[in-house]
Amino acid sequence: DADVTQTPRNRITKTGKRIMLECSQTKGHDRMYWYRQDPGLGLRLIYYSFDVKDINKGEISDGYSVSRQAQAKFSLSLESAIPNQTALYFCATSDERRVDTQYFGPGTRLTVL
Amino acid sequence: KQEVTQIPAALSVPEGENLVLNCSFTDSAIYNLQWFRQDPGKGLTSLLLIQSSQREQTSGRLNASLDKSSGRSTLYIAASQPGDSATYLCATHSGYSTLTFGKGTMLLVSP
Repeated sequence: DADVTQTPRNRITKTGKRIMLECSQTKGHDRMYWYRQDPGLGLRLIYYSFDVKDINKGEISDGYSVSRQAQAKFSLSLESAIPNQTALYFCATSDERRVDTQYFGPGTRLTVL
Repeated sequence: KQEVTQIPAALSVPEGENLVLNCSFTDSAIYNLQWFRQDPGKGLTSLLLIQSSQREQTSGRLNASLDKSSGRSTLYIAASQPGDSATYLCATHSGYSTLTFGKGTMLLVSP
């Protein structure tokens, strides 16, 4: 089984809908991240969490919110989806003892019509 | 704000060629630099990580170099194979546990 899983893997939704993307990890890492990737662009950081009680905004947090329900789970929400949030979303984890290495999930492809 | 640039954006080579992918960054105060591979429909796989105090790292046919003072890194792939076809991403780590990525180089190795 994969160490970092994301659900759903693909989602098509309409403008204005609320969407939640979920990330789970079995690596026992305390740090989790959400990135988005747009065609032809690198990954950009949306939010990150160093532990259950710690949430930090990344480069492009507007229009998104997150919830760290447990050490192993980190969810990303789009309260009212808009078309320019169409992108590939990645979750990643890292261990505070090895902060220089991040492990990525397979990604969620989100399309907002 | 750190900016990471990768050149070229796309590269197509015949099997067996040696090739170099380039990465440059604007802020030399980095903790380390990583090269990732991204396959379609899959996540990122870390290939090589170079600490700021190191000059290069090698793994099999891959060699990554780092010149922090000039803000440059290169990924050298020897004897390329069709299985090397993927997008290669460079990312810098500032020490705050977050990565700044380049836009990637899409590599196609034809048989």
